[in-house]
Amino acid sequence: EVQLVESGGGLVQPGGSLRLSCAASGFSFSNYWMRWVRQAPGKGLEWVATINEGGSVKYYVDSVKGRFTISRDSAKNSLYVQMNSLRAEDTAVYYCARVKSGNNYGVGDYWGQGTLVTVSS
Amino acid sequence: AISLTQSPSSLSASVGDRVTVTCRASQGIASSLAWYQQRPGKAPEVLIYDASSLESGVPSRFSGSGSGTDFTLTINSLQPEDFATYYCQHGGSFGGGTKVEIK
Repeated sequence: EVQLVESGGGLVQPGGSLRLSCAASGFSFSNYWMRWVRQAPGKGLEWVATINEGGSVKYYVDSVKGRFTISRDSAKNSLYVQMNSLRAEDTAVYYCARVKSGNNYGVGDYWGQGTLVTVSS
Repeated sequence: AISLTQSPSSLSASVGDRVTVTCRASQGIASSLAWYQQRPGKAPEVLIYDASSLESGVPSRFSGSGSGTDFTLTINSLQPEDFATYYCQHGGSFGGGTKVEIK
């Protein structure tokens, strides 16, 4: 059974940092692109970042470029996002998602349960 | 960047109704569109990909159509568990969502 479990969320002050993790199981993690998607309270879905199978290709939404870094560790079957210089507008539930095999426009076929990040003083 | 516009933003319907949600892309995207369902407090789940392909395990009352810039998600015979918010997606873009509520 495919499982994605996020962790690392919490309350952080503006300007602070946080690292989210996503533990993957039930599939060959190193064969899949992965992405982070967030959802601010009461709002819609927003794509954050995508990484390829080997970790050499990374894409980010403009609003997080230079502040967030997506990475992965295939030995640990884990996806990460390092979030620096956090702002109030980064407050959201952060989901990790597996990109459907063979898909070239980022369809997420499995999602984690999400982890809440709150940026507030 | 491609933007996706969904309509309506919300609708009220009854169990058994047929419901249609539309998604318009700002430029042609061939058939590269997915639809998701999100129930309150839960993660999104993919329903349709490649505009009209039903994801494994998704009930056949869900269907998708369209290509280019105009797409449609149809739910035939709405069930109680279908009251949720629906999103279209292409690449890094998501539509604004359509909340399907009970009439």
